[in-house]
Amino acid sequence: EVQVEESGGGLVQPGGSLRLSCTGSGFTFTSHWMHWVRQVPGKGLVWVSRINTDGTTTNYADSVKGRFTISRDNAENTVYLQMNSLRADDTAVYYCARVRQGSAGLDYWGQGTLVTVSS
Amino acid sequence: QSALTQPASVSGSPGQSITISCTGTSSDVGNHNYVSWYQQYPGKAPKLIIYDVINRPSGVSNRFSGSKSGNTASLTISGLQAEDEADYYCSSYSSSSTWVFGGGTKLTVL
Repeated sequence: EVQVEESGGGLVQPGGSLRLSCTGSGFTFTSHWMHWVRQVPGKGLVWVSRINTDGTTTNYADSVKGRFTISRDNAENTVYLQMNSLRADDTAVYYCARVRQGSAGLDYWGQGTLVTVSS
Repeated sequence: QSALTQPASVSGSPGQSITISCTGTSSDVGNHNYVSWYQQYPGKAPKLIIYDVINRPSGVSNRFSGSKSGNTASLTISGLQAEDEADYYCSSYSSSSTWVFGGGTKLTVL
Protein backbone atom coordinates (compact mmCIF):
# COMPACT_ATOMS: atom_id res chain seq x y z
CA GLU A 1 0.00 0.00 0.00
CA VAL A 2 1.33 3.40 -0.99
CA GLN A 3 1.75 5.73 1.96
CA VAL A 4 3.14 9.20 2.45
CA GLU A 5 3.60 10.49 5.98
CA GLU A 6 4.75 13.90 7.20
CA SER A 7 6.30 14.73 10.54
CA GLY A 8 8.14 17.54 12.25
CA GLY A 9 5.48 20.17 12.64
CA GLY A 10 4.99 22.18 15.80
CA LEU A 11 5.11 25.59 17.40
CA VAL A 12 8.03 27.85 16.55
CA GLN A 13 8.75 31.50 17.24
CA PRO A 14 8.95 34.06 14.43
CA GLY A 15 12.42 34.01 12.93
CA GLY A 16 12.93 30.42 13.98
CA SER A 17 13.57 27.25 12.01
CA LEU A 18 11.89 23.91 11.58
CA ARG A 19 12.55 20.86 9.44
CA LEU A 20 9.69 18.80 8.11
CA SER A 21 10.13 15.22 7.00
CA CYS A 22 8.05 13.18 4.55
CA THR A 23 8.55 9.44 4.35
CA GLY A 24 7.21 7.34 1.51
CA SER A 25 6.50 3.62 1.59
CA GLY A 26 4.89 1.01 -0.61
CA PHE A 27 6.36 2.39 -3.83
CA THR A 28 9.68 2.96 -5.58
CA PHE A 29 10.57 6.26 -3.96
CA THR A 30 13.38 7.03 -6.40
CA SER A 31 10.96 7.05 -9.33
CA HIS A 32 8.82 9.94 -8.16
CA TRP A 33 9.11 13.69 -7.94
CA MET A 34 7.74 15.02 -4.65
CA HIS A 35 5.99 18.26 -3.69
CA TRP A 36 5.15 20.24 -0.58
CA VAL A 37 1.83 22.06 -0.47
CA ARG A 38 0.47 24.09 2.45
CA GLN A 39 -2.95 25.14 3.62
CA VAL A 40 -3.98 27.63 6.25
CA PRO A 41 -6.89 25.99 8.10
CA GLY A 42 -10.11 27.04 6.41
CA LYS A 43 -8.28 28.45 3.39
CA GLY A 44 -7.06 27.15 0.05
CA LEU A 45 -4.13 25.03 -1.07
CA VAL A 46 -0.88 26.81 -1.85
CA TRP A 47 2.03 25.22 -3.66
CA VAL A 48 5.36 25.49 -1.83
CA SER A 49 8.11 23.46 -3.49
CA ARG A 50 9.04 20.41 -5.55
CA ILE A 51 12.06 18.16 -6.03
CA ASN A 52 13.00 15.76 -8.79
CA THR A 53 13.88 12.10 -8.38
CA ASP A 54 17.57 12.51 -7.59
CA GLY A 55 17.39 15.84 -5.82
CA THR A 56 19.22 17.82 -8.48
CA THR A 57 16.26 19.98 -9.50
CA THR A 58 14.26 22.03 -7.03
CA ASN A 59 11.70 24.80 -7.41
CA TYR A 60 10.04 27.14 -4.94
CA ALA A 61 7.14 29.51 -4.63
CA ASP A 62 8.24 33.13 -4.49
CA SER A 63 6.86 33.42 -0.96
CA VAL A 64 9.36 30.90 0.41
CA LYS A 65 12.32 31.26 -1.96
CA GLY A 66 15.52 31.93 -0.06
CA ARG A 67 14.01 30.79 3.25
CA PHE A 68 12.92 27.19 2.56
CA THR A 69 15.04 24.36 1.18
CA ILE A 70 13.71 21.08 -0.14
CA SER A 71 15.95 18.01 -0.25
CA ARG A 72 15.68 14.25 -0.28
CA ASP A 73 17.49 11.19 1.01
CA ASN A 74 16.56 8.33 -1.30
CA ALA A 75 18.29 5.81 0.94
CA GLU A 76 15.81 6.74 3.65
CA ASN A 77 12.81 7.27 1.31
CA THR A 78 12.46 10.72 2.81
CA VAL A 79 11.94 14.26 1.55
CA TYR A 80 12.72 17.21 3.78
CA LEU A 81 11.59 20.80 3.95
CA GLN A 82 14.00 22.99 5.89
CA MET A 83 12.18 26.16 6.88
CA ASN A 84 14.20 29.14 8.12
CA SER A 85 13.29 32.72 9.01
CA LEU A 86 9.76 31.62 9.71
CA ARG A 87 6.99 34.22 9.73
CA ALA A 88 3.47 34.22 11.10
CA ASP A 89 2.08 33.83 7.58
CA ASP A 90 3.93 30.51 7.23
CA THR A 91 1.47 29.07 9.73
CA ALA A 92 -0.35 26.26 7.93
CA VAL A 93 -0.82 22.54 7.53
CA TYR A 94 2.00 21.29 5.34
CA TYR A 95 1.26 18.40 3.01
CA CYS A 96 3.74 16.22 1.20
CA ALA A 97 2.55 14.66 -2.05
CA ARG A 98 3.85 12.23 -4.63
CA VAL A 99 3.79 13.02 -8.34
CA ARG A 100 2.05 10.41 -10.46
CA GLN A 101 4.58 8.96 -12.89
CA GLY A 102 4.32 10.29 -16.40
CA SER A 103 2.04 13.13 -15.40
CA ALA A 104 1.87 16.21 -13.24
CA GLY A 105 -0.88 15.09 -10.89
CA LEU A 106 -0.24 14.62 -7.18
CA ASP A 107 -1.68 11.18 -6.60
CA TYR A 108 -0.81 10.38 -3.00
CA TRP A 109 -0.86 12.88 -0.15
CA GLY A 110 0.07 12.62 3.48
CA GLN A 111 -2.31 13.71 6.21
CA GLY A 112 -0.35 16.89 6.80
CA THR A 113 1.62 18.34 9.67
CA LEU A 114 0.70 21.62 11.35
CA VAL A 115 3.26 24.37 11.62
CA THR A 116 2.39 27.27 13.91
CA VAL A 117 4.61 30.35 13.94
CA SER A 118 3.82 32.44 16.97
CA SER A 119 5.47 34.11 19.93
CA GLN B 1 2.54 33.25 -9.18
CA SER B 2 -1.06 34.43 -9.00
CA ALA B 3 -3.66 31.89 -7.98
CA LEU B 4 -5.94 30.46 -10.62
CA THR B 5 -9.48 31.82 -10.50
CA GLN B 6 -12.30 29.54 -9.41
CA PRO B 7 -15.85 30.40 -8.32
CA ALA B 8 -16.06 30.43 -4.55
CA SER B 9 -19.12 28.22 -4.53
CA VAL B 10 -21.40 26.22 -6.78
CA SER B 11 -24.46 24.17 -5.98
CA GLY B 12 -26.70 21.62 -7.60
CA SER B 13 -29.41 19.11 -6.85
CA PRO B 14 -28.88 15.36 -6.81
CA GLY B 15 -28.79 13.96 -10.33
CA GLN B 16 -27.90 17.27 -11.93
CA SER B 17 -24.59 18.21 -13.55
CA ILE B 18 -22.38 21.07 -12.45
CA THR B 19 -19.24 22.60 -13.91
CA ILE B 20 -16.46 24.35 -12.03
CA SER B 21 -14.25 26.69 -14.02
CA CYS B 22 -10.58 27.40 -13.43
CA THR B 23 -9.15 30.42 -15.22
CA GLY B 24 -5.46 31.07 -15.55
CA THR B 25 -3.21 32.71 -18.10
CA SER B 26 -1.15 31.84 -21.14
CA SER B 27 1.72 31.13 -18.75
CA ASP B 28 -0.04 28.29 -17.00
CA VAL B 29 -3.40 26.78 -17.98
CA GLY B 30 -3.29 28.11 -21.53
CA ASN B 31 0.19 26.83 -22.35
CA HIS B 32 0.40 23.47 -20.61
CA ASN B 33 -1.73 20.32 -20.44
CA TYR B 34 -0.78 19.83 -16.81
CA VAL B 35 -4.03 20.80 -15.16
CA SER B 36 -5.15 18.68 -12.21
CA TRP B 37 -8.25 18.71 -10.03
CA TYR B 38 -8.46 17.72 -6.39
CA GLN B 39 -11.35 16.93 -4.08
CA GLN B 40 -10.99 17.72 -0.39
CA TYR B 41 -13.30 16.96 2.51
CA PRO B 42 -13.03 19.00 5.73
CA GLY B 43 -10.07 17.92 7.80
CA LYS B 44 -8.84 15.51 5.15
CA ALA B 45 -6.02 15.51 2.63
CA PRO B 46 -6.81 16.39 -0.98
CA LYS B 47 -7.54 13.56 -3.43
CA LEU B 48 -6.55 13.62 -7.09
CA ILE B 49 -9.61 13.24 -9.34
CA ILE B 50 -8.36 14.54 -12.71
CA TYR B 51 -4.81 14.87 -14.01
CA ASP B 52 -3.34 16.23 -17.22
CA VAL B 53 -6.62 18.01 -18.06
CA ILE B 54 -8.76 15.01 -18.93
CA ASN B 55 -7.47 11.86 -17.26
CA ARG B 56 -9.06 10.06 -14.32
CA PRO B 57 -7.03 7.95 -11.89
CA SER B 58 -8.28 4.42 -11.45
CA GLY B 59 -11.00 4.25 -8.83
CA VAL B 60 -12.35 7.73 -9.53
CA SER B 61 -15.95 7.76 -10.70
CA ASN B 62 -16.54 8.41 -14.42
CA ARG B 63 -19.03 11.05 -13.29
CA PHE B 64 -16.00 13.34 -13.00
CA SER B 65 -14.59 14.75 -16.24
CA GLY B 66 -12.15 17.48 -17.18
CA SER B 67 -11.64 19.73 -20.17
CA LYS B 68 -9.79 22.85 -21.24
CA SER B 69 -10.34 25.71 -23.66
CA GLY B 70 -7.76 28.44 -23.94
CA ASN B 71 -6.83 29.73 -20.50
CA THR B 72 -9.78 28.07 -18.76
CA ALA B 73 -10.02 24.51 -17.52
CA SER B 74 -13.25 22.96 -16.31
CA LEU B 75 -14.35 20.14 -14.05
CA THR B 76 -17.77 18.64 -14.69
CA ILE B 77 -19.54 16.40 -12.23
CA SER B 78 -22.54 14.61 -13.67
CA GLY B 79 -25.26 12.75 -11.77
CA LEU B 80 -24.52 14.80 -8.65
CA GLN B 81 -24.57 12.80 -5.41
CA ALA B 82 -24.60 13.89 -1.78
CA GLU B 83 -21.09 12.48 -1.33
CA ASP B 84 -19.77 14.94 -3.93
CA GLU B 85 -20.25 17.79 -1.48
CA ALA B 86 -16.67 18.93 -0.84
CA ASP B 87 -14.10 21.55 -1.79
CA TYR B 88 -12.55 21.33 -5.25
CA TYR B 89 -9.21 22.77 -6.31
CA CYS B 90 -7.59 23.07 -9.70
CA SER B 91 -3.86 23.23 -10.19
CA SER B 92 -1.59 23.94 -13.14
CA TYR B 93 2.06 23.85 -14.02
CA SER B 94 3.44 27.28 -14.83
CA SER B 95 6.11 28.34 -17.29
CA SER B 96 8.28 29.52 -14.42
CA SER B 97 8.71 25.86 -13.34
CA THR B 98 6.33 26.38 -10.49
CA TRP B 99 2.82 25.19 -9.74
CA VAL B 100 -0.23 27.22 -8.94
CA PHE B 101 -3.53 26.27 -7.31
CA GLY B 102 -6.93 27.83 -7.65
CA GLY B 103 -8.62 29.41 -4.67
CA GLY B 104 -11.00 26.48 -4.32
CA THR B 105 -14.70 25.97 -4.92
CA LYS B 106 -17.15 24.75 -2.32
CA LEU B 107 -19.71 22.42 -3.86
CA THR B 108 -23.05 22.19 -2.10
CA VAL B 109 -25.47 19.43 -3.00
CA LEU B 110 -28.92 20.78 -2.31
